[in-house]
Amino acid sequence: AQSVAQPEDQVNVAEGNPLTVKCTYSVSGNPYLFWYVQYPNRGLQFLLKYITGDNLVKGSYGFEAEFNKSQTSFHLKKPSALVSDSALYFCAVRSGGSYIPTFGRGTSLIVHP
Amino acid sequence: NAGVTQTPKFQVLKTGQSMTLQCAQDMNHNSMYWYRQDPGMGLRLIYYSASEGTTDKGEVPNGYNVSRLNKREFSLRLESAAPSQTSVYFCASRGQETQYFGPGTRLLVL
Repeated sequence: AQSVAQPEDQVNVAEGNPLTVKCTYSVSGNPYLFWYVQYPNRGLQFLLKYITGDNLVKGSYGFEAEFNKSQTSFHLKKPSALVSDSALYFCAVRSGGSYIPTFGRGTSLIVHP
Repeated sequence: NAGVTQTPKFQVLKTGQSMTLQCAQDMNHNSMYWYRQDPGMGLRLIYYSASEGTTDKGEVPNGYNVSRLNKREFSLRLESAAPSQTSVYFCASRGQETQYFGPGTRLLVL
């Protein structure tokens, strides 16, 4: 079985400050990890993924995520938040042998001017 | 290259009515998926198709049927709509280990 936890329903941050959106996972075998962003009334858009290789993954719009195997975490980060980053963020995980990712419940990021 | 398209964008049904949600992708992907999104519930998988000619149940298949018409198209049918099926429905396809999502269909069942 595989599962994802996003412990925060909402994250508030001031524009220009660093942001972190947390994600922990459980999966058998090596994890395939993903972050997606959803803007209001839109579908999910891919941000970044970890399959193998460097633990620090860089993605779209200046976002990055760090894979931590010992803590089973894949937190999303950005050094300097923008108001336009305000959106719903989803973490997802699947095992290497599965077609089916499991999504977290989502974290609403609100960046204040 | 339109990616994943869905029709209709919005639909209102009465309880007991039927309808089909259409999805098409132009990226030549083998795998396609149908999800529903409800507040606080994240995305829940309804059905998926690993390749043309195959379909499998996901987490919440009851009340739905699907058809993988060809490699491009994957439709979702509600035979007898219920208020519990009020939701936003997303279709996705998978390529290069990444899922690509359509814009969604908002369904209201009265």
